[in-house]
Amino acid sequence: EAGVTQSPTHLIKTRGQQATLRCSPISGHTSVYWYQQALGLGLQFLLWYDEGEERNRGNFPPRFSGRQFPNYSSELNVNALELEDSALYLCASSLTGTSGKETQYFGPGTRLLVL
Amino acid sequence: DQQVKQNSPSLSVQEGRISILNCDYTNSMFDYFLWYKKYPAEGPTFLISISSIKDKNEDGRFTVFLNKSAKHLSLHIVPSQPGDSAVYFCAASDYGGSQGNLIFGKGTKLSVKP
Repeated sequence: EAGVTQSPTHLIKTRGQQATLRCSPISGHTSVYWYQQALGLGLQFLLWYDEGEERNRGNFPPRFSGRQFPNYSSELNVNALELEDSALYLCASSLTGTSGKETQYFGPGTRLLVL
Repeated sequence: DQQVKQNSPSLSVQEGRISILNCDYTNSMFDYFLWYKKYPAEGPTFLISISSIKDKNEDGRFTVFLNKSAKHLSLHIVPSQPGDSAVYFCAASDYGGSQGNLIFGKGTKLSVKP
C-alpha cells in the first residue's frame, strides 16, 4: 500500500513569491494535515482538512492557505514568502480525524528554501 | 508556551541496553499520545500510541508508559539496536475536542552505539 506522497521534494523560491506544495494521502484516508518544521523546532500544526473542508488551523498568518480536492489530495499555498518560511513542510493523513483516535501517517516532506 | 516537552535533546545508549525517552505535557485535556521516529530527510514514522484510559501499551521492543497524574509518558526500547538511532518525537492530542491536530515535542535524538 502506497504511503503519503508529497511533491516537490525540494523547492527554492525568493522572498515575495508564492509556493505551492502538494500531498496525496494514503488510499482510504479522508483527513489531511499540514505541519511546518523549521530548523531547531518541533513540528508546528498548520492546517487540517477533512472531507474537503478546513477543520482547524494553527497559529499561522492567512498567507498560509490550502485546499483539499474531491480525491482527498491537498495543496498548501504560501503567499508573499518570507525568509522565515524556509522549513520542512510535512503532510500527514488519517482516517477521518473527527470520530476518534486516528493515527496520522506522514509523508517525506517538502523542503522549502526562501532566498 | 510548550504544551509537550521533551527535556532531553539527546540520549546515547549502548546496543542491547534499554533506551528510555521521556515526555511531559501540561494540558490535562490531552487524551491520546503517540511516539514517532524520524530519520534525516524523511517524514516521521509512527511507532506506538496510547490512549489516556491505559497506562501501558506494548508493541514488540517498544513500550509506552503513561502516568496521567504526573502528566508524563515515556518510551522504552528494549533491546536498543543501532538502527534505532533517530530523532524521537512525542505527540499529544485532544481528540475528544475534535481539534484534529497533534502537538509535538521538540524531539530527542537517540544514538545507539554498537
